[in-house]
Amino acid sequence: KAGVTQTPRYLIKTRGQQVTLSCSPISGHRSVSWYQQTPGQGLQFLFEYFSETQRNKGNFPGRFSGRQFSNSRSEMNVSTLELGDSALYLCASVRSDLGTDTQYFGPGTRLTVL
Amino acid sequence: AQRVTQPEKLLSVFKGAPVELKCNYSYSGSPELFWYVQYSRQRLQLLLRHISRESIKGFTADLNKGETSFHLKKPFAQEEDSAMYYCALSGFEAAGNKLTFGGGTRVLVKP
Repeated sequence: KAGVTQTPRYLIKTRGQQVTLSCSPISGHRSVSWYQQTPGQGLQFLFEYFSETQRNKGNFPGRFSGRQFSNSRSEMNVSTLELGDSALYLCASVRSDLGTDTQYFGPGTRLTVL
Repeated sequence: AQRVTQPEKLLSVFKGAPVELKCNYSYSGSPELFWYVQYSRQRLQLLLRHISRESIKGFTADLNKGETSFHLKKPFAQEEDSAMYYCALSGFEAAGNKLTFGGGTRVLVKP
């Protein structure tokens, strides 16, 4: 099976702009989670979508939002970008197996805010 | 609240020496614990999960609920083990999937 794919891989934006990142999960996986990775804060959970519904949300401001489509593909949006939003944004596709859910990560989108 | 602590930011060992990466967690229920590894210029990938009780690439980890730990061990480190390692916890207090990660430990295996 193809792995998790994320587009674009790199983005450069300026403060105040908005950005949309895309994630295609592994075929058959219905849940997608998003994480932000920064040198200072490490890996932090943003939100999770399952069957087009947000099921969990981390402690991020409302500028961070997401959605999931009927084919399980997911997008996340960040509005009014701030310098501190510069990070690697990771998407994870979740496999439910024998009662355990395991997350498989994409390569990430590197967002730089100038 | 879920919390994962990896006390060592950097572990430097010689090839062939044992390596142990410490992971301690805080969680009131029964957690699921994972180790993820990130090699240079590669994506974060699952190394092992406690529920499987498996050994991957010579690594093992045992969940100790009494000490709330999930340390990762390998008896003989190899140069290709040099990478960033993350311990992660998934709790059941809410529906769905949410991983809480530790800060990571960078392992450097010297020849």
